Amino acid sequence: DAGVIQSPRHEVTEMGQEVTLRCKPISGHDYLFWYRQTMMRGLELLIYFNNNVPIDDSGMPEDRFSAKMPNASFSTLKIQPSEPRDSAVYFCASSSSLGGADSNQPQHFGDGTRLSIL
Amino acid sequence: DAKTTQPNSMESNEEEPVHLPCNHSTISGTDYIHWYRQLPSQGPEYVIHGLTSNVNNRMASLAIAEDRKSSTLILHRATLRDAAVYYCILRAFLGGNQFYFGTGTSLTVIP
Repeated sequence: DAGVIQSPRHEVTEMGQEVTLRCKPISGHDYLFWYRQTMMRGLELLIYFNNNVPIDDSGMPEDRFSAKMPNASFSTLKIQPSEPRDSAVYFCASSSSLGGADSNQPQHFGDGTRLSIL
Repeated sequence: DAKTTQPNSMESNEEEPVHLPCNHSTISGTDYIHWYRQLPSQGPEYVIHGLTSNVNNRMASLAIAEDRKSSTLILHRATLRDAAVYYCILRAFLGGNQFYFGTGTSLTVIP
């Protein structure tokens, strides 16, 4: 079975440019999560969706960040305009609520997008 | 979410058991204990989870203290492929399925 697929794997762009990260969750999963990982702050939850609806975006650092999930098989995380401090590895994860919303189903992570803003 | 405390790093010899501790003194009665690990250049990977009883699966065992204020992830026979950062996470029963990762323990396996 295909896991969580993220694209691109690496992105290098100049400050001020718009960056779009993409994620395809595992088919049938109804939760989708976006994380950011840096050496300084570790793994941080940015936002998560349930059935394509954003549930908690309190981790989104500022208005330059936005996330969408137009359908069950696709999500984007956009940064506009990008800044050097946005450089990090961004992970997407998905999980199922099989057995109920509190079923403790594990999260399945993609391989991440390594973003460098020059 | 309640906080967890783990040692920053640990070492183990190959083919020996490894006990990775986690303290969670503020755990509530309905918080589940989850463990994930992250190999170099990869996303985190689920290892095991439990509530009160000890748990075993093909990857590891989870030993939970009787008062639930601490737990230990046990790798029965460390291999070089087990070198990773191990995260202990508490998930509230009604937490909505999100996880908050701490700093984790970096495990080095010595050949």
